Amino acid sequence: DGGITQSPKYLFRKEGQNVTLSCEQNLNHDAMYWYRQDPGQGLRLIYYSQIVNDFQKGDIAEGYSVSREKKESFPLTVTSAQKNPTAFYLCASSMTGRGYGYTFGSGTRLTVV
Amino acid sequence: AQTVTQSQPEMSVQEAETVTLSCTYDTSESDYYLFWYKQPPSRQMILVIRQEAYKQQNATENRFSVNFQKAAKSFSLKISDSQLGDAAMYFCAYRFFSSGSARQLTFGSGTQLTVLP
Repeated sequence: DGGITQSPKYLFRKEGQNVTLSCEQNLNHDAMYWYRQDPGQGLRLIYYSQIVNDFQKGDIAEGYSVSREKKESFPLTVTSAQKNPTAFYLCASSMTGRGYGYTFGSGTRLTVV
Repeated sequence: AQTVTQSQPEMSVQEAETVTLSCTYDTSESDYYLFWYKQPPSRQMILVIRQEAYKQQNATENRFSVNFQKAAKSFSLKISDSQLGDAAMYFCAYRFFSSGSARQLTFGSGTQLTVLP
């Protein structure tokens, strides 16, 4: 079955460490997205990519980095520059034609210890 | 900039009753779509219903229907015959189409729905 896979489900980061969250899709979707969700809040866009080897900053890109070397993969690195990284991270993918919504992964819960 | 506003942080409904969740949005675009997503305690985001701005007819999916008022920029979700499994956070979202491509979704802050037995 086609879908979008995020790993790991839970991730713990020490102060000053960089960590990378994985997102893989086999839906042949052109676009991929990373959102951050804080408790009781909506989703805020971190980065997105419409095509391979190209990506754009979202509303809260500071302290994060991404790459899009393959259509199927869009990993997110949370760097030590991100001062408050504890959150739930959602990856999504989509076609870019009219009418499409997103398919979401199951998320990664990142905690700073 | 496009914004999506959900003014009800929390709502509750008795099982088998009907509830309406509100959403307003602000945009200057003419080619766009609106969505309602559900996020249950598992935190998996699930698409509930979508509405194309060009269509006047309100979308319906089983017990879920929308009231789309384009001039008022309002997009409410009605859940009929509420079930315990409907308990979740509900997000309204907006996506516009420009220069041959759909842009990223903009989400509201969500409404937490509780279903009372």
